[in-house]
Amino acid sequence: KAGVTQTPRYLIKTRGQQVTLSCSPISGHRSVSWYQQTPGQGLQFLFEYFSETQRNKGNFPGRFSGRQFSNSRSEMNVSTLELGDSALYLCASSYEGTDYGYTFGSGTRLTVV
Amino acid sequence: AQTVTQSQPEMSVQEAETVTLSCTYDTSESDYYLFWYKQPPSRQMILVIRQEAYKQQNATENRFSVNFQKAAKSFSLKISDSQLGDAAMYFCAYRSARGAQKLVFGQGTRLTINP
Repeated sequence: KAGVTQTPRYLIKTRGQQVTLSCSPISGHRSVSWYQQTPGQGLQFLFEYFSETQRNKGNFPGRFSGRQFSNSRSEMNVSTLELGDSALYLCASSYEGTDYGYTFGSGTRLTVV
Repeated sequence: AQTVTQSQPEMSVQEAETVTLSCTYDTSESDYYLFWYKQPPSRQMILVIRQEAYKQQNATENRFSVNFQKAAKSFSLKISDSQLGDAAMYFCAYRSARGAQKLVFGQGTRLTINP
């Protein structure tokens, strides 16, 4: 059974640009969550999607957005990149109705220069 | 809002010995889940163990076990017979059973295994 796949693994962008990150959940998982990991702030929740609807959103500015497609794949977008957006972005998927925790991908390392 | 605190930024242990990582949390909810995740250099967060708050029995997964003290809001992880492959960052996480479907993480503990 394939795990959670995140692409790309690494990304370097310039301030002011925008970026799109992709996450393919485990087959059958309809809930996809995104987290930002930085040395200073640790792991912070960005948002969660279920059946193409955003159910929960963390405390991030509107430059951070996401969406989920009918096949449960999810993308997150960051517009007008700032240096502080440099982070590891982790995606996690889970099967609704169970509480076996979340399965994470290996993340996308975004560097803003 | 719920918070999770890991007071040990770094821990080290000799191979084959036992180590305990501490975690405390703050919540007003009575129904929730607690998790320990491991993050090796590969970056992928790996679920180590989970505990339902309504269960009094402490969860165990092979060499990993927890000491869940609900009244004290404490959730420590014990690793027995430590192995070199256990070296990683360990994160304690909380998730509400009825509220927002999100994990609230502690700051992490970096565990080093000395051969």
